[in-house]
Amino acid sequence: QQQVKQSPQSLIVQKGGISIINCAYENTAFDYFPWYQQFPGKGPALLIAIRPDVSEKKEGRFTISFNKSAKQFSLHIMDSQPGDSATYFCAASYGSRLTFGEGTQLTVNP
Amino acid sequence: GAVVSQHPSRVICKSGTSVKIECRSLDFQATTMFWYRQFPKKSLMLMATSNEGSKATYEQGVEKDKFLINHASLTLSTLTVTSAHPEDSSFYICSARDGQGSAYEQYFGPGTRLTVT
Repeated sequence: QQQVKQSPQSLIVQKGGISIINCAYENTAFDYFPWYQQFPGKGPALLIAIRPDVSEKKEGRFTISFNKSAKQFSLHIMDSQPGDSATYFCAASYGSRLTFGEGTQLTVNP
Repeated sequence: GAVVSQHPSRVICKSGTSVKIECRSLDFQATTMFWYRQFPKKSLMLMATSNEGSKATYEQGVEKDKFLINHASLTLSTLTVTSAHPEDSSFYICSARDGQGSAYEQYFGPGTRLTVT
């Protein structure tokens, strides 16, 4: 019930393309869904987050789509750039605990 | 704003010794701090949650006598790995929640790479 499943494990996209990463959860008590970006040897940094009362949130090139009935949410990175190459983690929170997905290693080719 | 620092950034120690890692919130008061462990190419695993002035709450399977957590002030939490062994080698990351800010957001530190030889 605490798991967050993330796919794909790795993703290769051409510069300018759209990167899409998906996550699914089981626990309907989760009430906060953030996405984090992590570069090698660094801590994760918050990219964008959504609450379950909203179906979509956009910040710059990053968009979260949230489907409460399907218990799924996804991250879309528009106009992907080589500098976006990193590992992306979805997460879900209930109370104070964050549960992370397994991560997606994104490579954006120039 | 919302900067979290960790010290040291990397440490190498001999098997059997203890290592202390510091986590500081630089521009906010952190009522709650979290410690995570991350193996190469893996996700973050929550080790424990600590609230200022009280004992840490450890996740199932985390040895509290091995991983000592102290959260003595609103800006500092420490993780001490006692009697370290090579299997304790990992990337340790702390995060902090702003007591005056969002109830949801956690701000992460840059991590500490521990290598036990």
